[in-house]
Amino acid sequence: QLQLQESGPGLVKPSETLSLTCTVSDASITSSNYYWGWVRQSPGKGLEWIGSISYSGTTYYNPSLKSRVTLFVDTSKSQFSLNLNSVTAADTAVYYCARHFSGRTTWYSGWFDPWGQGTLVTVSS
Amino acid sequence: QSVLTQPPSASGTPGQRVTISCSGSSSNIGSNNVYWYQQLPGMAPKLLIYRNNQRPSGVPDRFSGSKSGTSASLAISGLRSEDEADYYCAAWDDSLSAVGFGGGTKLTVL
Repeated sequence: QLQLQESGPGLVKPSETLSLTCTVSDASITSSNYYWGWVRQSPGKGLEWIGSISYSGTTYYNPSLKSRVTLFVDTSKSQFSLNLNSVTAADTAVYYCARHFSGRTTWYSGWFDPWGQGTLVTVSS
Repeated sequence: QSVLTQPPSASGTPGQRVTISCSGSSSNIGSNNVYWYQQLPGMAPKLLIYRNNQRPSGVPDRFSGSKSGTSASLAISGLRSEDEADYYCAAWDDSLSAVGFGGGTKLTVL
């Protein structure tokens, strides 16, 4: 069954770029029925959608983060990646990747399944 | 401040039925499907309910979802100790052009 695994540095300095990769295994990343998304959870707080990308590279970003976020996809490696630039302490969070299902008639939904185990990224000098 | 509003906590004793509410607006719950997630301590969220009231395979039928107008609810019947977790609702928000999550409800099994 589909599995996702995040990877990347656990510590990033303020003002630098946070870069994470999600590797998809045991399923194809190239289906047109869903997107591949990133969601973060700040310590002790709730969930925040960062953005999602299709296998063909179509991207959708949370407007609150759009100016700092870029998503990439590499279908040959079954991977998709997140870059978040100009980070501050407020970007310290557990970052999850997840399969993001499309709606019946729209690209979007609140449907994420499954999720990766998550990776903690701390922004600190 | 979360897009969707949930009570911060809920509790019940084993065997009881507990309901968790999720309040939104016409731009999210009022016009889009609602999803529910369970997050066990130290774990990633897990899909519990999709499209308002559908259960993925493997989710016990003790869990049920409903939606009316701009509000949704998650009901857990026959409460068990392993249900102790954080529960989140989610829906697309047309005004924000983003997925909105509730702030989460911590369920305690007494």
